[in-house]
Amino acid sequence: QVQLQESGPGLVKPSQTLSLTCTVSGGSISSGSYYWSWIRQPAGKGLEWIGRIYTSGTTNYSPSLKSRVTISVDTSKNQFSLKLNSVTAADTAVYYCAFGLTTLHYWGQGTLVTVSS
Amino acid sequence: QSALTQPASVSGSAGQSITISCTGTSSDVGGFNYVSWYQQHPGKAPKLMIYDVSKRPSGVSNRFSGSKSGNTASLTISGLQAEDEADYYCSSYTSSSTWVFGGGTKLTVL
Repeated sequence: QVQLQESGPGLVKPSQTLSLTCTVSGGSISSGSYYWSWIRQPAGKGLEWIGRIYTSGTTNYSPSLKSRVTISVDTSKNQFSLKLNSVTAADTAVYYCAFGLTTLHYWGQGTLVTVSS
Repeated sequence: QSALTQPASVSGSAGQSITISCTGTSSDVGGFNYVSWYQQHPGKAPKLMIYDVSKRPSGVSNRFSGSKSGNTASLTISGLQAEDEADYYCSSYTSSSTWVFGGGTKLTVL
């Protein structure tokens, strides 16, 4: 069964770029036709979809974050990544990676990112 | 895009059935059969319970069922059990090729 694991800095300064990586194990990120997504959840609040990348490299982003987000894939490392620039305290959240085709079938355990000086 | 609308909370006694609604628009819930439901226990990652409106992933109890009518999708949990107490989120594909979540519903099992 495919498993996902998020990694990256737990603390980012305001105005800087948040960078996270999702490592895929138990399967190849380039096999099959799936969407690889990022989702976040501020403490005590609901889920927010950030964006996704298709196996072919096509991306879709949330309209509210589109100007600051980049999602990319590195098939050689079996990873996909999230970059969110110009962060503020409002970007503090648990960030999840997930994948599926018509749904978010499998999720990573999540990683907390705090934006603070 | 606006978040889908869910009730903030629902409750039911053990053994009873409850239904959680998820209201969107013709550009999301009403326009596609790509509605999913996720269960989230405190401190845990969300778990897929229903996808494509009414399909259950392998391993999910048949006490969980999904349906849709117009712009509103619903999750029904029958035979409520203590372990069903959690937050539930709906999501839908949209006409902008994005996903949108509902605000979440806290289920309390009395």
